[in-house]
Amino acid sequence: EPEVTQTPSHQVTQMGQEVILRCVPISNHLYFYWYRQILGQKVEFLVSFYNNEISEKSEIFDDQFSVERPDGSNFTLKIRSTKLEDSAMYFCASSVGKNSPLHFGNGTRLTVT
Amino acid sequence: DQQVKQNSPSLSVQEGRISILNCDYTNSMFDYFLWYKKYPAEGPTFLISISSIKDKNEDGRFTVFLNKSAKHLSLHIVPSQPGDSAVYFCAASWFEGGATNKLIFGTGTLLAVQP
Repeated sequence: EPEVTQTPSHQVTQMGQEVILRCVPISNHLYFYWYRQILGQKVEFLVSFYNNEISEKSEIFDDQFSVERPDGSNFTLKIRSTKLEDSAMYFCASSVGKNSPLHFGNGTRLTVT
Repeated sequence: DQQVKQNSPSLSVQEGRISILNCDYTNSMFDYFLWYKKYPAEGPTFLISISSIKDKNEDGRFTVFLNKSAKHLSLHIVPSQPGDSAVYFCAASWFEGGATNKLIFGTGTLLAVQP
C-alpha cells in the first residue's frame, strides 16, 4: 500500500538554526498537510497546501515557518530559526481529495537544544 | 481549545470482548469525523470515518456511531484483539467551511487489549 514517507526520522538542532523536514506524499494525492505533536499534547494542525499554495494555516504557523513543494514529489517544512518550544513530532499527511481521509507519515522527531 | 475531547485517557479490555472508545465535540459546524490508530514511533493510521448525514458506519470489526444531538461519537471494536492495543484518536473537520480537510484531534485514548 502506498505510504507517506518522512525524513529524517529524528533531527537534533541548536536553537536559532534552520531546519528542513522532508516528506514524500502519496503520488496521486493532491492535498498536503503538516501537523505537529508536542510531547504529551494533542496532534495540532499547522498548514495545508493545495495547487502549489498554502490553503490554510494555524496561528502556530508564523513567519518562522514555510512550506514548499520544490518538485513533483517532495513537500518540505522549513523552520527558519528554531526555538526550544519547536521541539515536537512533526507529521506530514496527504489526501487524494479535499473530503478524503488524511494519510500520515511516521513523523520526524525534532529536538531543539 | 477543547473542540474535540476524549475524556478517557486509557481503557483496558479482555481479548474477544468489545472495546468502546468515546469522543465528544463542541463545534456544531463539524460535519466529518474520523478515528485514527497510532502505535509508538509511527504516524496516525486512518481507521474509519463518518459523515454527519449518517449515524453509523461499519467496516469489519470497527463501527463508528454518531449522535449529533449529543455531539458524541464512539468507536466500537468487536472482537478486540491484542494487536488493537494502541492510542486511538478521534478527529473532526468542517467540510463546507474550509478549503482543505483540516482535522481537529482529540487527546487520544490508550487501549490495552489483554490476552
